[in-house]
Amino acid sequence: DGGITQSPKYLFRKEGQNVTLSCEQNLNHDAMYWYRQDPGQGLRLIYYSQIVNDFQKGDIAEGYSVSREKKESFPLTVTSAQKNPTAFYLCASTSGRRRDTQYFGPGTRLTVL
Amino acid sequence: AQKVTQAQTEISVVEKEDVTLDCVYETRDTTYYLFWYKQPPSGELVFLIRRNSFDEQNEISGRYSWNFQKSTSSFNFTITASQVVDSAVYFCALRSGGGADGLTFGKGTHLIIQP
Repeated sequence: DGGITQSPKYLFRKEGQNVTLSCEQNLNHDAMYWYRQDPGQGLRLIYYSQIVNDFQKGDIAEGYSVSREKKESFPLTVTSAQKNPTAFYLCASTSGRRRDTQYFGPGTRLTVL
Repeated sequence: AQKVTQAQTEISVVEKEDVTLDCVYETRDTTYYLFWYKQPPSGELVFLIRRNSFDEQNEISGRYSWNFQKSTSSFNFTITASQVVDSAVYFCALRSGGGADGLTFGKGTHLIIQP
């Protein structure tokens, strides 16, 4: 089955530690995205990548970093510079063609202790 | 700048009632795409519909229907004969520009269907 996987589902980290969230897709999509969702809020764009080895900052990129070494993978690192990292993180992908839809993974819930 | 407003934070209705979720958007682009997603308690966003700015035809899919009006910059979503399984958070989203650009989301409407 084609789809987007995110791991882990729940993640706990101590304050001051970096943590990496995984996102993998087997849909042969070119574009991938990371969004953050806070309680009672909509999703906000962190980073996105249209092709391998290229990515752009979204609206709230500070304190985050990404890489896109493979088409299928777009990991997100939450660094210690992110002041309020506790949130629900969602990964998405699309073919990148103008008319296409973004499809989402199941999400990772990050809690900083 | 783009903006999506979902003024209804929470709606509660009794099963079998009809319910309409409002969405108002702002964009300067002449070509754009509007979306509705459903987020059940599990958290994953489920795609419901995409509408292009040059296609104002309303759409019906089973108990779901969508009313797109460019004159009022609205893209409202109606559920007919609601069911308990419709309980979820519903998001309206907007994408302008290229196909690989990110989405701008509203804050969502929490729909509660009571048995």
